[in-house]
Amino acid sequence: DAKTTQPPSMDCAEGRAANLPCNHSTISGNEYVYWYRQIHSQGPQYIIHGLKNNETNEMASLIITEDRKSSTLILPHATLRDTAVYYCIVRVRVVADTGKLIFGQGTTLQVKP
Amino acid sequence: GAVVSQHPSWVICKSGTSVKIECRSLDFQATTMFWYRQFPKQSLMLMATSNEGSKATYEQGVEKDKFLINHASLTLSTLTVTSAHPEDSSFYICSAPQRLAATYEQYFGPGTRLTVT
Repeated sequence: DAKTTQPPSMDCAEGRAANLPCNHSTISGNEYVYWYRQIHSQGPQYIIHGLKNNETNEMASLIITEDRKSSTLILPHATLRDTAVYYCIVRVRVVADTGKLIFGQGTTLQVKP
Repeated sequence: GAVVSQHPSWVICKSGTSVKIECRSLDFQATTMFWYRQFPKQSLMLMATSNEGSKATYEQGVEKDKFLINHASLTLSTLTVTSAHPEDSSFYICSAPQRLAATYEQYFGPGTRLTVT
């Protein structure tokens, strides 16, 4: 699976959009971009994933550049409860894949009042 | 989404004793489960893949005789930390993949905090 690079930490004001970048310059054509987050002392929580089109769900939006070498996770209106470590993971998504995830260091997002 | 539970949520044990942690998939079956370990302020580190009906697959550097994994049924995997030492104190997290359409998605348990005194 391709390696990802994320900034170690970011701050965001409550109510504003949080934009979390991720670089994955060695991504292959069949690799998806996944985002998970981990709130302190809890298990990781799935947020969103995408291949090449932008995706949106009730939690966030995922913007993937046209060359797929980077992506941005957007939390449109950050709240204090969004304070967490956010992990960007790239992996192949195939039938035989049981979904093993390898975590990088992630970005610690601190939402401030 | 699917639910994965862990028991206990936290445990304190004395050095030299063994501790068993359970991971259950509550509303789906999982022939494979994954065990992670996380030290303070660090990322999750994959320890091993638990396989129902066969031996677990350990990641490089993880002692299989120290971290015993048993995948007894399609909904239960256990991790036993044998002869625990203070350096084994950590946050242990399991995950289980659920088949969705053409692939699997990963669901995580809430974690187990182990403190060895």
